[in-house]
Amino acid sequence: QQQVKQSPQSLIVQKGGISIINCAYENTAFDYFPWYQQFPGKGPALLIAIRPDVSEKKEGRFTISFNKSAKQFSLHIMDSQPGDSATYFCAAYNGGSQGNLIFGKGTKLSVKP
Amino acid sequence: DTAVSQTPKYLVTQMGNDKSIKCEQNLGHDTMYWYKQDSKKFLKIMFSYNNKELIINETVPNRFSPKSPDKAHLNLHINSLELGDSAVYFCASRGTGVGEQYFGPGTRLTVT
Repeated sequence: QQQVKQSPQSLIVQKGGISIINCAYENTAFDYFPWYQQFPGKGPALLIAIRPDVSEKKEGRFTISFNKSAKQFSLHIMDSQPGDSATYFCAAYNGGSQGNLIFGKGTKLSVKP
Repeated sequence: DTAVSQTPKYLVTQMGNDKSIKCEQNLGHDTMYWYKQDSKKFLKIMFSYNNKELIINETVPNRFSPKSPDKAHLNLHINSLELGDSAVYFCASRGTGVGEQYFGPGTRLTVT
């Protein structure tokens, strides 16, 4: 299956809280899992990414947790800030030099001051 | 310097018209893409080109035709525009980093 399922569709978090977005996939051939951040009126921008041989990757306040056996991965945003308010997309790469990204449907995050 | 640029930013046109969107990347990447983002923000790949050669052509009406004059440019031509074509179209390019794609700012197409 080529789908990537993302939840929740929208998320409201208070400033300083933890934002958690979850994704699940079926295709075990996926070999790269990036998260993209999109602000209104802008194109998606790569935020952080992980490979399936690693269970966690942290960059600043952003952490990806990866569970290969469950075929799930999640984005955690610590100490969420109003500037983090954006739409977040998880994605999975289906391999090879001619592969492409399969995107989840996105999560609109609003961080309240 | 803008890595991936698109023109125009906004495009308003009537049903039945033909229009083009241009994309250029200055990253030296070999692979470029066109995506469509609908009103629900869903990103769907349309085409992928590698070194001017079509690699992926998802289920897209043949009214949409990509053209790559060189590996830095991938243009999208749309014939006989329909209301359902209204969306934001993103161009992207991919470097050697597997899966790492760089997106342009998007072109908001409105068909009236």
